[in-house]
Amino acid sequence: NAGVTQTPKFQVLKTGQSMTLQCAQDMNHNSMYWYRQDPGMGLRLIYYSASEGTTDKGEVPNGYNVSRLNKREFSLRLESAAPSQTSVYFCASNPQSSGANVLTFGAGSRLTVL
Amino acid sequence: KNQVEQSPQSLIILEGKNCTLQCNYTVSPFSNLRWYKQDTGRGPVSLTIMTFSENTKSNGRYTATLDADTKQSSLHITASQLSDSASYICVVSGQAGTALIFGKGTTLSVSS
Repeated sequence: NAGVTQTPKFQVLKTGQSMTLQCAQDMNHNSMYWYRQDPGMGLRLIYYSASEGTTDKGEVPNGYNVSRLNKREFSLRLESAAPSQTSVYFCASNPQSSGANVLTFGAGSRLTVL
Repeated sequence: KNQVEQSPQSLIILEGKNCTLQCNYTVSPFSNLRWYKQDTGRGPVSLTIMTFSENTKSNGRYTATLDADTKQSSLHITASQLSDSASYICVVSGQAGTALIFGKGTTLSVSS
């Protein structure tokens, strides 16, 4: 049982390049989330999907787009990367459709934008 | 404004010693509070969850307390080990359907 799998684990981009972070969960969870973690800032919610086919903005959505491809997969896209998007990104899932405090996190994707 | 404050920001202790991490929140209404442990380079992993009616809960050498009246929680680590070196994050859940509120975490370093 892999839980939440994120790819890639590391990525270096140049300013203006685009990329997609992939996330998949095999626990049949309803909700999925994307967070970014920066030093001194803690985890901040970028986007979330309460159920298949729905997505909503979180605290820091600017510069990002998401797709809930199916119940298992939730991707995060940076269309034109900026240095301010250098961060560690975590995908998480939740068995419920509401914001219940029972998240399972992936191992993280470290992104550097030069 | 709903907030979660953790203290101290960082802590260094000797192996075998005990320590206590604090989490104060202003989230209202309150549903539950969960402590996560995040090892370096890994995602957060749940340690324990405290609901409104619970005062104390233990998970091995970890003991969490909750005082819902003062809106404070603590995580006590007994007989610390090198593997306890990590960040500890407090997350509070309020009204159903609202976003989780994350603390910024306490970084614990256990040295030999």
